[in-house]
Amino acid sequence: DTAVSQTPKYLVTQMGNDKSIKCEQNLGHDTMYWYKQDSKKFLKIMFSYNNKELIINETVPNRFSPKSPDKAHLNLHINSLELGDSAVYFCASSPPGGSLHFGNGTRLTVT
Amino acid sequence: GEDVEQSLFLSVREGDSSVINCTYTDSSSTYLYWYKQEPGAGLQLLTYIFSNMDMKQDQRLTVLLNKKDKHLSLRIADTQTGDSAIYFCAESIQSGATNKLIFGTGTLLAVQP
Repeated sequence: DTAVSQTPKYLVTQMGNDKSIKCEQNLGHDTMYWYKQDSKKFLKIMFSYNNKELIINETVPNRFSPKSPDKAHLNLHINSLELGDSAVYFCASSPPGGSLHFGNGTRLTVT
Repeated sequence: GEDVEQSLFLSVREGDSSVINCTYTDSSSTYLYWYKQEPGAGLQLLTYIFSNMDMKQDQRLTVLLNKKDKHLSLRIADTQTGDSAIYFCAESIQSGATNKLIFGTGTLLAVQP
């Protein structure tokens, strides 16, 4: 199936830990994104990469570090997790100037 | 600025039409989108409209765009219980070589049988 896939689907961890979320797309898109959806369902862009190059960084704390080993993958590493990081994180990809295709999300719960 | 507003909740009866409204602020947006999010799922692209169009129809969905007022609406004809979900409008803003989608606050559509 052609898709954007993220792992894990659920992630429960304690404050202060470091965790990673992986994302892969097999749609052949050049651009990938990370969005955060909070408990009120507000969706906000965090990062965008185009052909492995960081294009958008929307005032996200330094504890969040995206890494794109190739244009089909965009992983998100989070250091020193805080309670306020609890949210659903969505990966997405798009062709040039096209619509975004989203993964199913990773629900992160920090206790 | 970048701000997209929607009403938070809409309740309709099965078989009725639903109209979800959205206002946006960036007049340079080239495309405007409607996404659907079912509980526990990701966002599914429903439809989109190019900024030089007034209307687009796609089966039960009709999108109306009033560029002067920066107002976008999504009409769902013959609404079904399976249409119950959160609907997000989004404006597309070019940022270098990439698109950035700014999402609205989402409208929860509840369809009563």
